[in-house]
Amino acid sequence: DAGVTQSPTHLIKTRGQQVTLRCSPKSGHDTVSWYQQALGQGPQFIFQYYEEEERQRGNFPDRFSGHQFPNYSSELNVNALLLGDSALYLCASSLAASQLADTQYFGPGTRLTVL
Amino acid sequence: LAKTTQPISMDSYEGQEVNITCSHNNIATNDYITWYQQFPSQGPRFIIQGYKTKVTNEVASLFIPADRKSSTLSLPRVSLSDTAVYYCLVGDRVKAAGNKLTFGGGTRVLVKP
Repeated sequence: DAGVTQSPTHLIKTRGQQVTLRCSPKSGHDTVSWYQQALGQGPQFIFQYYEEEERQRGNFPDRFSGHQFPNYSSELNVNALLLGDSALYLCASSLAASQLADTQYFGPGTRLTVL
Repeated sequence: LAKTTQPISMDSYEGQEVNITCSHNNIATNDYITWYQQFPSQGPRFIIQGYKTKVTNEVASLFIPADRKSSTLSLPRVSLSDTAVYYCLVGDRVKAAGNKLTFGGGTRVLVKP
């Protein structure tokens, strides 16, 4: 049973470019959340997708957008990249019907470097 | 959401017990306390969750006093592989799987040989 997978592992972009990160949730999960983790800090919530719609959103600009597909996988898109967007981007999946915190599983993340 | 405060870092030695205390003075009645562990270049991993008194699993113990304004994560007999960042989170357990998680800065635990 595969856990949460993310691609790519690492990515280098330049300022102003656009990037797409991908996440496949753990088998049986239907909810995907995205987090940004700057170096030395805790993860910060970007947004969450359920039933192909954005259900919750953190304090991130509209340059950050996402999508969830019918198979529950998800993409995170960031436009007009800034140096400050350099971070580890984490995907977490869960089952909406569950009421247990320990059913949130994180992927290994995508390390994005903006030059 | 209740804000949490925990030490920035802690050093320990192999075989010792590590106790990390987290303060959450504004915890609400419906809030649970959850701890996550994160190794370098990996995503956080759930360790333990509790509401009051003591919870123990195969990895750690969680002690919560009656006023619930703080909690202590206890890692027994740590090994080098326990070197990680430990995060204390407080939030409503209802529909917890769908909740956004609010992480603080965490506690960096370094286990030395």
